[in-house]
Amino acid sequence: KQEVTQIPAALSVPEGENLVLNCSFTDSAIYNLQWFRQDPGKGLTSLLLIQSSQREQTSGRLNASLDKSSGRSTLYIAASQPGDSATYLCAALPLRGSQGNLIFGKGTKLSVKP
Amino acid sequence: DADVTQTPRNRITKTGKRIMLECSQTKGHDRMYWYRQDPGLGLRLIYYSFDVKDINKGEISDGYSVSRQAQAKFSLSLESAIPNQTALYFCATGVGWEDQETQYFGPGTRLLVL
Repeated sequence: KQEVTQIPAALSVPEGENLVLNCSFTDSAIYNLQWFRQDPGKGLTSLLLIQSSQREQTSGRLNASLDKSSGRSTLYIAASQPGDSATYLCAALPLRGSQGNLIFGKGTKLSVKP
Repeated sequence: DADVTQTPRNRITKTGKRIMLECSQTKGHDRMYWYRQDPGLGLRLIYYSFDVKDINKGEISDGYSVSRQAQAKFSLSLESAIPNQTALYFCATGVGWEDQETQYFGPGTRLLVL
């Protein structure tokens, strides 16, 4: 059974710092790995989707990498801003028995201090 | 207007009461999902539907039922609410296939069962 783990559970950084959020998964048989952002009262917003054949995806100050062989993905945030404060969730879409059933990590709660 | 809406946004009920959470979408997606989120446990799938005639149980379907009234509407019912069903509930729609598959989430319904 696929399990997704995110470390750390919480992170506090000063504004302007570059930071890395980590995600690991136990089964490399995945269609894709996705990163979401969760803001209080606003649900989840998709940030980046990395297909199984890809190594990384970029969107603005965000860069996500995928290493299926080691079961790891990282989300890199450059020049962090207070508006980046949120909970970041990664989710794996398994090949077997998936039918669209994303498997989520528990998230990393990020706080960027002005 | 939001693409995926949930009503109510907040609900307090008593043990044993029957309640319904509603989800509507304007994205035109065939696939819809219900998740619950608990502190320390992440998001877990309750039910999912690939079209109006297709309903499937997720990881934690006991105590819940669903109805897909139309392509745009997917309701979650708690037949007899219990305190451990206190959680944040999310509806989502799904689009794309295999390595391009992703989901779009509603803002969530916060449920408290006393």
